[in-house]
Amino acid sequence: QKEVEQDPGPLSVPEGAIVSLNCTYSNSAFQYFMWYRQYSRKGPELLMYTYSSGNKEDGRFTAQVDKSSKYISLFIRDSQPSDSATYLCAIPSGGGFKTIFGAGTRLFVKA
Amino acid sequence: DSGVTQTPKHLITATGQRVTLRCSPRSGDLSVYWYQQSLDQGLQFLIHYYNGEERAKGNILERFSAQQFPDLHSELNLSSLELGDSALYFCASSPNKQGTAGNTIYFGEGSWLTVV
Repeated sequence: QKEVEQDPGPLSVPEGAIVSLNCTYSNSAFQYFMWYRQYSRKGPELLMYTYSSGNKEDGRFTAQVDKSSKYISLFIRDSQPSDSATYLCAIPSGGGFKTIFGAGTRLFVKA
Repeated sequence: DSGVTQTPKHLITATGQRVTLRCSPRSGDLSVYWYQQSLDQGLQFLIHYYNGEERAKGNILERFSAQQFPDLHSELNLSSLELGDSALYFCASSPNKQGTAGNTIYFGEGSWLTVV
């Protein structure tokens, strides 16, 4: 079983839709959870991070962690064509010395 | 711009050859990470160096090696290249002094390697 599982999509939505992106993880000891956004042929950039369970909001983006089910989510409200990218969940592992990434979900927002 | 600089941006080489990818971390960052991204494998962690010392190893092949120099730049050496080594290789750096759980890493733009 992979440490972090993520559906690669692709996911296609109309502009203005609410997008839900999800990952599951296997190790209940994980405490920090991050979301990265990667535009085509560019390096991933940090979008948000959360600690333990709960929600964190930043503009149109909300990150949610449910440690009881080992499930993390990223919601995008009022999605825009500029949100079209690959979204990767990431979790520090190995005592924090390495960060494990999900496969990434390719998102297309149609105008 | 993340502040992480990688060279070269693109590289085409033949099977059996050896290449070196170079990375300059963000100013002040002591940690450097290398990742490989291919279409079928996603973003795979290769290796992590902190202040010149290897801290963690991932799925790095024996044909691959890395080092971090006293000025903190890092190099990833890929030898006996095979077609399957074609991928985007990312370097990343972090500001944290140790491998703390809340580590945020910042990626460079990557080096595209094509093996023909």
